Amino acid sequence: GEDVEQSLFLSVREGDSSVINCTYTDSSSTYLYWYKQEPGAGLQLLTYIFSNMDMKQDQRLTVLLNKKDKHLSLRIADTQTGDSAIYFCAESLMNSGGYQKVTFGIGTKLQVIP
Amino acid sequence: NAGVTQTPKFQVLKTGQSMTLQCAQDMNHEYMSWYRQDPGMGLRLIHYSVGAGITDQGEVPNGYNVSRSTTEDFPLRLLSAAPSQTSVYFCASSPWQGFQETQYFGPGTRLLVL
Repeated sequence: GEDVEQSLFLSVREGDSSVINCTYTDSSSTYLYWYKQEPGAGLQLLTYIFSNMDMKQDQRLTVLLNKKDKHLSLRIADTQTGDSAIYFCAESLMNSGGYQKVTFGIGTKLQVIP
Repeated sequence: NAGVTQTPKFQVLKTGQSMTLQCAQDMNHEYMSWYRQDPGMGLRLIHYSVGAGITDQGEVPNGYNVSRSTTEDFPLRLLSAAPSQTSVYFCASSPWQGFQETQYFGPGTRLLVL
């Protein structure tokens, strides 16, 4: 079955890099995602990576995918106080009905210290 | 475009009451889904729909009903509210079930069942 795990909390100083890690169990994932949730708001898609890619960079964000270890990471360069939020890792799988099903991790709360 | 809208933002119910959480999108998306978010459990899929007239169960469907009479609307009905249904509910939509990388979330409905 599918399972997505991530640590609960990460604290970094403003200007440092943040690395949020995630592991998943199903090797047949098609897409892997990072979502950001600010307090009192819904989830916002930050970035995604297709399962046949190893790395994706988008401005301050770098996603690394290690398919062998089923490990996904999100690196935020030059972390700012506005990056404080909960970050969700998620994977997309094709279910038995032929539809994509997205499974979310429990979320990592990133605290940026000024 | 208003994107994905949800009403109400907050609701308090007594055990046994019924209510409908509204979700609407104006992006002509085929795929819509309902999630609940609970502390320490991430997001769990309740029901989803791949188009008008088509719905299916997600991970935690018990106690909830859905219908999809139009492309725009995807209401979630609580038949007889229980304290275990206290949660934050998110509606999401995407253009097509295969393009999960562009899933859009609503702002959420916070429900308290006493």
